[in-house]
Order: sequence, then structure tokens, then C-alpha cells
Amino acid sequence: GDSVTQMEGPVTLSEEAFLTINCTYTATGYPSLFWYVQYPGEGLQLLLKATKADDKGSNKGFEATYRKETTSFHLEKGSVQVSDSAVYFCALSSLAGGYNKLIFGAGTRLAVHP
Amino acid sequence: EPEVTQTPSHQVTQMGQEVILRCVPISNHLYFYWYRQILGQKVEFLVSFYNNEISEKSEIFDDQFSVERPDGSNFTLKIRSTKLEDSAMYFCASSYNGLAGGGETQYFGPGTRLLVL
Repeated sequence: GDSVTQMEGPVTLSEEAFLTINCTYTATGYPSLFWYVQYPGEGLQLLLKATKADDKGSNKGFEATYRKETTSFHLEKGSVQVSDSAVYFCALSSLAGGYNKLIFGAGTRLAVHP
Repeated sequence: EPEVTQTPSHQVTQMGQEVILRCVPISNHLYFYWYRQILGQKVEFLVSFYNNEISEKSEIFDDQFSVERPDGSNFTLKIRSTKLEDSAMYFCASSYNGLAGGGETQYFGPGTRLLVL
């Protein structure tokens, strides 16, 4: 079945460091791909998405490119801030079953220190 | 900005008791979902709901679970007889479109943390 694999956390960085969180997927066909973020005490918020191969999603300085060849959707940010501390979830929209359901990775906790 | 809301934020119950988790999806959305996250594990799909019926459900969603849209605004998840392993964070989500392949964004609520003792 469809699945998403994320790098394990926690990831600890200093402010202004470069961030990469790896995400690879296994799926039938070409699903849409998402990054969701969960700030402490809050729900899951969409960070960015890409709906077809080679699309780049971007938001708030974060970027991820849908790579069909490597079945990847790595999240990057050039300069992280303390306010980026959160849990990041990679997800795909499964094409199985006819209806939209999200398959999530395990989540990666990011801690950014001043 | 419209948002999905969930109540209660926390619930503690005894094993074998019934619980009802409530959600108010975004008002013009047509597709509704429940997911759960057991502590330290992945967020898992439970069920999707459209046009007053279940459109898809996972293996987790057995006969102990049911969903309902009792009026025009609420969407509920009922667990008839809770087990210890039902302890988890339960997220409600909604989207305007819900067909596979559409790339539609699902909007999530803040979750209900359920603890079964």
C-alpha cells in the first residue's frame, strides 16, 4: 500500500541554519504531496503542497519539489527561525479507493535555538 | 479565516464507556474526515464522509466506531465501548472536494486528546 517515510527527529538547529527534512514515498500513480506543520498545542496546518511531478511548493520561506524519479518531496528552508520550532509531517493523497485520504509520515520534530 | 473546531480538547474516560467527539467543519466544505494519532506514532486515516454516508474507512474503523452529521454543522465520531488502545489524539478534517487525485487541501482541527483508563 501507499506509504511515506520521513527522517527521524528531533532535528536541532541554531537560528539562521539551513534546514532539510527528507521525505520519500511509495504510491501507485502520481499522488499529490503535502507538508503539514503542527505548532505546540495546535492542529495540523498545511505548509505547502505539490500536485504533479516537478512542481515546487513554497510558503513562509519553506520549499519542496516533487521529484518523481526519486519519489521524494524533501522540505528545505534557507534560514530557520525560533518560531519554526514545530513538528513537520509529510503526507500524500492516496489515489486508492476513489476518495481523498492522506497517508502521513511519522513526523519530524524541529527545535531551533537562538 | 474559517477553521475547523473540535470539542472537547481533552477527554478522560473509563474503559468500556462510550465517548462522542465533536467537530465543526468549515461551513462550505462537503467532505469530512477523522484521523487519529497514537502517542509517538503516525497520524492514521480512520474514515471519510460525504453526502451523509461513509465514503471510505480504514481497517481501524471497526464496528465500535461510528460517524454522524446530526445537523448542518456538526460532525461526530462515536466510540461505543472504549478500549485502552483507543487512547490517542483524534483529528477532524474537512475539504471542499474529496475525490482522489484532486490534490485538495484538507483543513484540520486542533484535535481531541482521548485517554482511556
